[in-house]
Amino acid sequence: AQSVSQHNHHVILSEAASLELGCNYSYGGTVNLFWYVQYPGQHLQLLLKYFSGDPLVKGIKGFEAEFIKSKFSFNLRKPSVQWSDTAEYFCAVNFFSGNTPLVFGKGTRLSVIA
Amino acid sequence: NAGVTQTPKFQVLKTGQSMTLQCAQDMNHNSMYWYRQDPGMGLRLIYYSASEGTTDKGEVPNGYNVSRLNKREFSLRLESAAPSQTSVYFCASSGRDGAYEQYFGPGTRLTVT
Repeated sequence: AQSVSQHNHHVILSEAASLELGCNYSYGGTVNLFWYVQYPGQHLQLLLKYFSGDPLVKGIKGFEAEFIKSKFSFNLRKPSVQWSDTAEYFCAVNFFSGNTPLVFGKGTRLSVIA
Repeated sequence: NAGVTQTPKFQVLKTGQSMTLQCAQDMNHNSMYWYRQDPGMGLRLIYYSASEGTTDKGEVPNGYNVSRLNKREFSLRLESAAPSQTSVYFCASSGRDGAYEQYFGPGTRLTVT
C-alpha cells in the first residue's frame, strides 16, 4: 500500500532558526504533493502544493518545499521560524490510481521557543 | 462562502449511543471525505465519496456509516458508539476526483464515555 512517512515526530527550535521537515512517500509513479499546517485548536490549512513543473515550490508564510523525485521526498523548509509557526505539519500525497483520496503522514509537531 | 462546515463542534456520548455528524460544503466539490485524528496517528480516512451517489471505505471504516445526501452534504453516523471512537473528526472536500487539494472543516471533538 502507498504510504507517507514523516520521520520527525516533534521538533523544537528557537526563533530565527532554520527549519527542515522531512517527508518521504512509497510510490514511484506520478504524484501530487501537499503540506498542510494545523495551528493549535484549528483545522488543517494548505501551506503549499506541487503538481508539476519547478520542483521548488513556495507557499504561504515563507515556507517552501522541494520535490526530489529520485528520493521520493518532498521536504518542507523555512529559513527563519517564528513563534507563530508553532503548529503541527502534515505531508500528504495523492497517488494517481483512480479516485483515491490523499494519504497523510502522521504529522510533525513543531514547537518554536523564544 | 462558508467553505466546509461541520456540526456539532463538540459532543459527549455514552457507550452504545448513536449520533450523526453533519458536513456540508458550498464549493461545488465532487469529492468529500471523513477523517479521524488521534494523537500520534495523523489523519486516518474513514470513508469518502468521490461523487454524489458513491461512497467507499477508507482505512478505518469499522463502526461507522456514511450517507452522501446530495452534492453538498456528507454525513457520518456512529450506530453504537465505543470509547475507541473518542477522537476529533474532520470532514473535507476536494474539487476533482481527489487529485486536488482538500479543504477541511473545523472539526468535531467527540468523547465517548
